[in-house]
This record gives sequence, C-alpha cells and structure tokens, in this order.
Amino acid sequence: EAGVAQSPRYKIIEKRQSVAFWCNPISGHATLYWYQQILGQGPKLLIQFQNNGVVDDSQLPKDRFSAERLKGVDSTLKIQPAKLEDSAVYLCASSFGGRVGGELFFGEGSRLTVL
Amino acid sequence: KQEVTQIPAALSVPEGENLVLNCSFTDSAIYNLQWFRQDPGKGLTSLLLIQSSQREQTSGRLNASLDKSSGRSTLYIAASQPGDSATYLCAIPTTDSWGKLQFGAGTQVVVTP
Repeated sequence: EAGVAQSPRYKIIEKRQSVAFWCNPISGHATLYWYQQILGQGPKLLIQFQNNGVVDDSQLPKDRFSAERLKGVDSTLKIQPAKLEDSAVYLCASSFGGRVGGELFFGEGSRLTVL
Repeated sequence: KQEVTQIPAALSVPEGENLVLNCSFTDSAIYNLQWFRQDPGKGLTSLLLIQSSQREQTSGRLNASLDKSSGRSTLYIAASQPGDSATYLCAIPTTDSWGKLQFGAGTQVVVTP
C-alpha cells in the first residue's frame, strides 16, 4: 500500500518569496493534516481537513498561510510571503478519520529553509 | 488543555541495553496514545497505537504500556541496537477535534555500538 506522498522534499527560498507544498494521502483516508515541525520541537498542527472541508485551522497564520484540499484527495499548503521563522519541516499526515481519528500516517516531510 | 511531556530530552545507551522512554500527560480522558519514531530529516513512522481500554501493546521488541490514572505511558525497547537511534515521540488526540494530535517534544536516543 502506498504511503503519504509529499513534494518537494527540500526547498530553499528568500524571505518574502512564496512556496507551495503538495501532499497526496493514503487512498481512502478521509482526514488530512498539515503539521509544522520546528527543529527540536514536536509537530504542531496547522490545519486539518475532513474530506474537502476544514475541521480545524485555529493555528494557521492566515495572513500568510493558505491550504486547500480540492476534491477531498490531495492537498496544497502555500506560504506567501515567507518569513525567517517559517523555516521548518512541513509534515502531511492522513487517517481514516472519524470523531476519535484513529492511527495517523505521516509523509517524509518537506523541509523549508528561509534565508 | 492537554499537555504532553517527554523526559529525558536525550538518552544514550550502549548496544544491548533495554530502552525505557517516558511520556506523561495531564488529562487522563484520552481515546488512545500513539508512539512514533523519527529519523533525522525524515517524517514520522508510527510504532504503536494503544487504545484507552488497553494496558499495553506489543510489536516485536517494542512494548508500550498505558496508565491513564497516573497520566503515563512507557515505551520499552528490548535489546537495543544502533539502528534504534532516532527521536521517539508520543502523541495523544485532543478531545476537542477530530483526531488532532498533541505531541510531546520527543526523546532523542543514541545507541552506541
């Protein structure tokens, strides 16, 4: 069974530039999550989708971050304009979903460096 | 609000020793607890998911225990190997959202040959 796919794996940009990350979840998984992981810390949820609807985006900096999950399958996370503090690994995860959630499966992550 | 703590932040053991990793949480009303492994520069790999009704869960050399009343989970890795070197994170779904996980900061493990 294919896992969660993410691209690109690495991206280096200058501050104020824009960047986009793509995620394709495990087939059949209704719930998709984007997490931000800063070096030395545990992942922090940015946004959670149930099918193509947003369940939780309370920690998403909406002035610069946006995400969409058209057709309830793959998803794109965009940052515009990027700041130095956005340097982190962006992890996509998926699960079958439901009120309790169930086991989460993560992709390899996209490492962003903002200079 | 649920808080998840992992102590120590780092651990070094010689090969062959058993590893004991701790995870504590403040709200005992949990659905389940999940342990992950993260290699440098990689994503998270799910190791074990232990349901709230379970006391322990085993997979190969890994065993996770759960004591909700004391707000603790322990991950045991038997007969450690250099390939076990990684960061281990525990995570708990928050009760206010569908499956959103609250993570600890992780314990970085080094197993020396």
